[in-house]
Amino acid sequence: NAGVTQTPKFRILKIGQSMTLQCAQDMNHNYMYWYRQDPGMGLKLIYYSVGAGITDKGEVPNGYNVSRSTTEDFPLRLELAAPSQTSVYFCASSSSGPDTEAFFGQGTRLTVV
Amino acid sequence: GNSVTQMEGPVTLSEEAFLTINCTYTATGYPSLFWYVQYPGEGLQLLLKATKADDKGSNKGFEATYRKETTSFHLEKGSVQVSDSAVYFCALSDPSYGQNFVFGPGTRLSVLP
Repeated sequence: NAGVTQTPKFRILKIGQSMTLQCAQDMNHNYMYWYRQDPGMGLKLIYYSVGAGITDKGEVPNGYNVSRSTTEDFPLRLELAAPSQTSVYFCASSSSGPDTEAFFGQGTRLTVV
Repeated sequence: GNSVTQMEGPVTLSEEAFLTINCTYTATGYPSLFWYVQYPGEGLQLLLKATKADDKGSNKGFEATYRKETTSFHLEKGSVQVSDSAVYFCALSDPSYGQNFVFGPGTRLSVLP
């Protein structure tokens, strides 16, 4: 069972570089999310999507962009990487409804130097 | 807006000790409540959930009861094991606010043999 798959697992970027974090889910979920996890700070929502072609900003969207061209894929783009974007990034997905749960990928550890 | 507060860690216990991790929430609607667990180097996994007042979620010896009157969802386990060492996140999901999940800051638990 694949669930939510994130690539890469680790990446080191230089300041000003760009990259795309990939996320794919095979559960036919409408909702997909990107979170960042900083030490001791819990998870903060960057962007989310309620379906293909629809995205919206979360709590900390600055410096990131997303797209959702298919139900399965939800890539996160970092433009002009900055040290403040050093973090662990988690992609998640869920169906809709009051008792649904979020399913998480394994995470991408990004360091910007 | 919706928010989750949980006790700060780290929490260190001896094997077979009783565990309580407090969680309280603020929500304007009728949220579902969750406990997620994160083992080192992994993504978050659902531990248990409750979708309405007075529901009790349970899994792997862990329990939590949805208390609407005190807006709480405290996590308990009668006898912890070394393998329970992880970070525990309390979370809520309010479908009336776009199905977004709001997480607490996490509580790191270390169980010593």
